[in-house]
Amino acid sequence: AQSVAQPEDQVNVAEGNPLTVKCTYSVSGNPYLFWYVQYPNRGLQFLLKYITGDNLVKGSYGFEAEFNKSQTSFHLKKPSALVSDSALYFCAVRDPNTGGFKTIFGAGTRLFVKA
Amino acid sequence: DAMVIQNPRYQVTQFGKPVTLSCSQTLNHNVMYWYQQKSSQAPKLLFHYYDKDFNNEADTPDNFQSRRPNTSFCFLDIRSPGLGDAAMYLCATSRVTSGRSDTQYFGPGTRLTVL
Repeated sequence: AQSVAQPEDQVNVAEGNPLTVKCTYSVSGNPYLFWYVQYPNRGLQFLLKYITGDNLVKGSYGFEAEFNKSQTSFHLKKPSALVSDSALYFCAVRDPNTGGFKTIFGAGTRLFVKA
Repeated sequence: DAMVIQNPRYQVTQFGKPVTLSCSQTLNHNVMYWYQQKSSQAPKLLFHYYDKDFNNEADTPDNFQSRRPNTSFCFLDIRSPGLGDAAMYLCATSRVTSGRSDTQYFGPGTRLTVL
C-alpha cells in the first residue's frame, strides 16, 4: 500500500540556522513527490516536486528537497530559516501508475522558527 | 493571475441544514478535487472530477455530493451537515497531460462551522 511518513510532528529551529523536515514514502514504481506548505486558515501552497531527473530539487522561497531512492526519502531543506517559514508542511506522493489522481499526504510537520 | 477561488471563506450552518460550497478556477485544468481537512490533519480526498467524470472515494459519506456544471466551477453539497462535518474544505485542480495528473493547486479553503 502507498504511504507517506513524516516522523516529526514538530521541528524547532532558530532563525538563520538550516532546517530539515523529514519525509519517507512507500510507493511501487517511480513516485511523484511533492511538498506543500500551509499557513493558518489558508489552503496548501505548492513548494516543489520531484518527478524525474536531478535528485536535488529547488522550489519556492529558498526551499529545496533531496530525493533518495535507496532510502525512499524526500527531505525538505532550507539553508537559513526565517521566522516567516513557521507553518505546517505536508509531504505528498502520487502514484503515476494510477494516473496520479490520488494523492497520499503525510500527517504534516509543524515548523517553528524562533527569532 | 490564474488561480483557484473558493467562496465563501467562512460558512456557518445549522445542524441538518443543507449547505453548498463553491470553487472556481481560471487555470483551465481538467481535474477538480474536494478535500476535507480537520484540525491541521492531512487533507482527506472526498472525490474528484476528471472533466465530467465523477470519481468518489470509497469512504466518502453519502451526505457529501458534488456537481461540476462546467470546466471552471465545482460545488460541494452537504445534504445534512452534522457536527462532525465541521472542517476546512479545500478545492484543488490539476492538469492531465499524457494521461497523468500533474501538480495540484489549492484554493484558500472554506471553513465550515456547524451549530
